Amino acid sequence: QSVLTQPPSVSGAPGQRVTISCTGSSSNIGAGYDVHWYQQLPGTAPKLLIYGNSNRPSGVPDRFSGSKSGTSASLAITGLQAEDEADYYCQSYDSSLRVFGGGTKLTVL
Amino acid sequence: EVQLVESGGGLVQPGRSLRLSCAASGFTFDDYAMHWVRQAPGKGLEWVSGISWNSGSIGYADSVKGRFTISRDNAKNSLYLQMNSLRAEDTALYYCAKGPSAGLVAPDYFDYWGQGTLVTVSS
Repeated sequence: QSVLTQPPSVSGAPGQRVTISCTGSSSNIGAGYDVHWYQQLPGTAPKLLIYGNSNRPSGVPDRFSGSKSGTSASLAITGLQAEDEADYYCQSYDSSLRVFGGGTKLTVL
Repeated sequence: EVQLVESGGGLVQPGRSLRLSCAASGFTFDDYAMHWVRQAPGKGLEWVSGISWNSGSIGYADSVKGRFTISRDNAKNSLYLQMNSLRAEDTALYYCAKGPSAGLVAPDYFDYWGQGTLVTVSS
């Protein structure tokens, strides 16, 4: 059971917009700790996608955006492309531990 | 270009030990905290341990506390994970990951990852 809760799967057609939620509690996201997002393409290492709730590292397309409110955060992907098919993980901080969500598999239909 | 290359994984019997290494290049190693993150086959990510730039601050997941020891050698640009009393549930791909700052404090995330080294604990 992950400390942060994500939907196991989401899907969307090319060009559409999808969102992935990440729900925490008052000891992590709700305590004011930032949320970060990672993309893991099949068979590869995770890659930082969003840091500090809504910041994109250099090279990450602006189709990817993040937000945070209360005890939850969301990752939005607009203009969905086939290459976006991957697993996505949220991550935050809780009681001196770095905690992840269980991951969400994005399928591009 | 930041590069993190893990090594030392393999098949080991329950109760035995293994030492993982991570060779870093492309950045000033002793300016940053470093971490180990693992992923069991077909499962999600789990933070294992982190160490600050000068080894002054160290943290462990509850699942490995007392069995695993993280260390670093800044002169060799290397990160290590000594794993003792290994269990079947430690079977995973172990990633070395770089932190965004020198300390082991929030906000804390992983801005670069290695390709991982596979540890299999089985008799």
